[in-house]
Amino acid sequence: NAGVTQTPKFQVLKTGQSMTLQCAQDMNHEYMSWYRQDPGMGLRLIHYSVGAGITDQGEVPNGYNVSRSTTEDFPLRLLSAAPSQTSVYFCASSQGQRLAKNIQYFGAGTRLSVL
Amino acid sequence: DAKTTQPPSMDCAEGRAANLPCNHSTISGNEYVYWYRQIHSQGPQYIIHGLKNNETNEMASLIITEDRKSSTLILPHATLRDTAVYYCIVRLILTGGGNKLTFGTGTQLKVEL
Repeated sequence: NAGVTQTPKFQVLKTGQSMTLQCAQDMNHEYMSWYRQDPGMGLRLIHYSVGAGITDQGEVPNGYNVSRSTTEDFPLRLLSAAPSQTSVYFCASSQGQRLAKNIQYFGAGTRLSVL
Repeated sequence: DAKTTQPPSMDCAEGRAANLPCNHSTISGNEYVYWYRQIHSQGPQYIIHGLKNNETNEMASLIITEDRKSSTLILPHATLRDTAVYYCIVRLILTGGGNKLTFGTGTQLKVEL
């Protein structure tokens, strides 16, 4: 059981480059989300999706785009990378909002450096 | 969002119980308290959650005060592998149906021999 898989694990970009962070889950979860974690801080929500074709912004969405064409995949796109986007990125999924027990499962993270 | 307050760090001897406190005095009646932990900058891992009653699972126990303004996570027999940052979180359902877990800075638990 793979759970939530993130690729790549590490990435170095130059300012202005674009890239896509991949996230896939095999648990048939409705809800998926992206967080970033900066040194000494907790996780902050970037974007989330409550199902295929539906996405919405979290608390720090600027500079990031997302789409959800399938239940399994939720890629995060950086259109023009900036040094301020240097961070560790976590993808998470959960079964849905209507359940009282709504556990989020996290991937191992992508460590991104923008020079 | 309901805010949570945790001590920045705690130490615990291996084999002893680790009691991690959390204050969430602004929690509303339908908000759950969740606990996650993060080991060595890995992805956060779910531990336990509760609404009003005390809860226990194979990992830990959660004690919630009657007024729900605070809670305590208990690791009954801490091991070195329990060294991690522990996050107390109040789950917020967003207007659009999203699910926001507001992670604070958590408590760094260090389990020592």
